[in-house]
Amino acid sequence: AQSVTQPDIHITVSEGASLELRCNYSYGATPYLFWYVQSPGQGLQLLLKYFSGDTLVQGIKGFEAEFKRSQSSFNLRKPSVHWSDAAEYFCAVDFSGNTGKLIFGQGTTLQVKP
Amino acid sequence: GAVVSQHPSRVICKSGTSVKIECRSLDFQATTMFWYRQFPKQSLMLMATSNEGSKATYEQGVEKDKFLINHASLTLSTLTVTSAHPEDSSFYICSARISGGVRADTQYFGPGTRLTVL
Repeated sequence: AQSVTQPDIHITVSEGASLELRCNYSYGATPYLFWYVQSPGQGLQLLLKYFSGDTLVQGIKGFEAEFKRSQSSFNLRKPSVHWSDAAEYFCAVDFSGNTGKLIFGQGTTLQVKP
Repeated sequence: GAVVSQHPSRVICKSGTSVKIECRSLDFQATTMFWYRQFPKQSLMLMATSNEGSKATYEQGVEKDKFLINHASLTLSTLTVTSAHPEDSSFYICSARISGGVRADTQYFGPGTRLTVL
């Protein structure tokens, strides 16, 4: 079955430190890859997406992600975390050829220490 | 930016009653909307795909007679939980996919509806 795995349920980093959130997906041809952030009381917000082309994609709020086909990974990174980045982060994959039907990972809760 | 609203944001109902949740795209048209369910501290699970003017398609294991979906216009989809039971208590989230233009195929999510069935 197609699946998306976020190995880290909870991550704590200090403000100003770098961040990497991991995402792996089961094998699939030409997956469409997404990272979303969920804050309490707000809808999921798209941080970035990868469809094709350059495997390093830039998103909003200083986030970037790198697609590595050989590792079936799409890890999210940020060089310097701000306290406002504390939230729930979801990796999502569309295995069905850009139909919009997303399979989500379990989510990673990011806590930022002052 | 594109905004998706859901109403109500929170609902408490008695077991056996039906509850309707609305999902609206406020500033764009959405041929396709999606309904997800999120359990506490867990991921989102796709329930169904709602297509304007046609029947919804349901994911495996989702009862179509329990979760009625109507997509009456390009800006509105409704999810009705019929004869709700406590196990239907959950956080229901909709998303809407932009139909055309430069942001075509981008999906925007609503803030969610918390359903509690007593």
